[in-house]
Amino acid sequence: DIQMTQSPSSLSASVGDRVTITCRASQSISSYLNWYQQKPGKAPKLLIYAASSLQSGVPSRFSGSGSGTDFTLTISSLQPEDFATYYCQQRRSFGQGTKLEIK
Amino acid sequence: EVQLVESGGGLVQPGGSLRLSCAASGFTFSSYWMSWVRQAPGKGLEWVANIKQDGSEKYYVDSVKGRFTISRDNAKNSLYLQMNSLRAEDTAVYYCARARFVVPAAGQYYFDYWGQGTLVTVSS
Repeated sequence: DIQMTQSPSSLSASVGDRVTITCRASQSISSYLNWYQQKPGKAPKLLIYAASSLQSGVPSRFSGSGSGTDFTLTISSLQPEDFATYYCQQRRSFGQGTKLEIK
Repeated sequence: EVQLVESGGGLVQPGGSLRLSCAASGFTFSSYWMSWVRQAPGKGLEWVANIKQDGSEKYYVDSVKGRFTISRDNAKNSLYLQMNSLRAEDTAVYYCARARFVVPAAGQYYFDYWGQGTLVTVSS
């Protein structure tokens, strides 16, 4: 299976900041990369699929980009409700997660 | 509204068995691949198993092959995970998730709906 590596593992930021999380695949996966948000004690929530398609109902401050092996999730202006853990996923493989904390 | 509701979790001794269920509603259950994904306490997400719409194809993570069986009953809109020979490392919250294919021929999919999860604890 393809391995997914996220960076950073944790990140401190302030409300209003622009934040970028990176996911790297161990081999090319074209644009088949998805992003999820998970809050403590809750199920993951789909944010972005196929690298850059915004899931219905997800705020437009979330965006995704990339292809091949390198992908990014960007939050343009952090809101209080965005502090959570973010995961990338390709088929059966998940990244290890990036915990976004309040500075 | 799509809903996935898991049940069946609990405390079980090592070597024991448990059967998880996931009740689906709000969509045509028989039209979708379904999956189980787990999360050990304080850890990340781990895909466990997939099952095709008609149950004819099933796939498992290596660590559960031969011990876990995924199945479904489309007449009851239900997904199951039979877990045998449980180990301490199987302790996790188990989520039922609907798989949506981006490119079916390439086997590329994402999980667009998730249940709330059910906790399985394997301990003596």
